[in-house]
Amino acid sequence: DARVTQTPRDKVTEMGQEVTMRCQPILGHNTVFWYRQTMMQGLELLAYFRNRAPLDDSGMPKDRFSAEMPDATLATLKIQPSEPRDSAVYFCASGATSASRNEQFFGPGTRLTVL
Amino acid sequence: RKEVEQDPGPFNVPEGATVAFNCTYSNSASQSFFWYRQDCRKEPKLLMSVYSSGNEDGRFTAQLNRASQYISLLIRDSKLSDSATYLCVVNGQAGTALIFGKGTTLSVSS
Repeated sequence: DARVTQTPRDKVTEMGQEVTMRCQPILGHNTVFWYRQTMMQGLELLAYFRNRAPLDDSGMPKDRFSAEMPDATLATLKIQPSEPRDSAVYFCASGATSASRNEQFFGPGTRLTVL
Repeated sequence: RKEVEQDPGPFNVPEGATVAFNCTYSNSASQSFFWYRQDCRKEPKLLMSVYSSGNEDGRFTAQLNRASQYISLLIRDSKLSDSATYLCVVNGQAGTALIFGKGTTLSVSS
């Protein structure tokens, strides 16, 4: 049963520390998305990649956030330095542009708490 | 105006009830429409796509009105297991990001 995996599942850190979140998309999917979910804002896009190339990162605070895809099986989202307002659940999702239904499959998320 | 708007609820209904959720979207160029379901502390999962002709999947019926930029979800014969947050989602071209509403919370009680 193919699924998106994310690590870590939970992360508690102190303000100013670097946080790295990892995502393994479903094998064969060529689009990868990073979303952030908070109670106030709901689910918001941070960045996404197609065929490992970044297409849109306009939702990301550029001074502290960075997203990369070192290879087709790994996407990373880094926050440096982290701030309390970054506390949220970060979801990675993957999809295939060839799919007829344009469905995106979500990972279980990383719950980040910045103290 | 938010891109996708939903009534947050909560909708509290007894088992067996019929409940309807509505959603409006602002971008008339949107091409794909979905309902996702999210359980507490879990990831969103696709419930169903929404087609212009309307579509049904068991107890769930989805409708799209492009002229009014309006999407609906009808759940018949509600079950306890239907309790969740239902997210209205729109999308541009295939392979682009999904735009989510904030969700409507449903609680089904016995």
